[in-house]
Amino acid sequence: NAGVTQTPKFRVLKTGQSMTLLCAQDMNHEYMYWYRQDPGMGLRLIHYSVGEGTTAKGEVPDGYNVSRLKKQNFLLGLESAAPSQTSVYFCASSLDGNSPLHFGNGTRLTVT
Amino acid sequence: DQQVKQNSPSLSVQEGRISILNCDYTNSMFDYFLWYKKYPAEGPTFLISISSIKDKNEDGRFTVFLNKSAKHLSLHIVPSQPGDSAVYFCAATWGTGAQKLVFGQGTRLTINP
Repeated sequence: NAGVTQTPKFRVLKTGQSMTLLCAQDMNHEYMYWYRQDPGMGLRLIHYSVGEGTTAKGEVPDGYNVSRLKKQNFLLGLESAAPSQTSVYFCASSLDGNSPLHFGNGTRLTVT
Repeated sequence: DQQVKQNSPSLSVQEGRISILNCDYTNSMFDYFLWYKKYPAEGPTFLISISSIKDKNEDGRFTVFLNKSAKHLSLHIVPSQPGDSAVYFCAATWGTGAQKLVFGQGTRLTINP
């Protein structure tokens, strides 16, 4: 039982490049979330999903897209990376809306 | 606009003593509050939570207090242990459905032997 797994762990991109961050959970959780954490700031919600095939915007969605084609996976895409997207990205999942979030160990992304 | 604030970036406490971490919020709509603990290179892990209908919740060495009139909550750790050294995040949310957590900036707690 791995919990929430994020790949890759680290990535360096040049401005304008695209990439996809993968989040996988093996707990059969309905809800999944993407957060970003920047120095001196708390985690901020980018997008979330309340079930397979659904997605919704969070607090800071601009520049990102997401997909939840399978219940266990939640993908975060950057179509054209910008230096402002340099951050640590955390994926999380929860059984339902009342259960605590389980976080992955993060992906450190640097955009030069 | 920082809706959840942790004004102490760091706190140092002696082992065995009480650690008190503070958190303030501005949004009156928040009705559920949580504390998460984070070690380096790991994701946050859930520690304890409290609903706005309560003013205290206890779980072993951890107690969370909520003062709605002051829009303030605190986390007490008694007694503090070296393994408690971590960054602690306060978070808040409201309503039903997905937990769209709003996090504070975090407080780095160091427990000294």
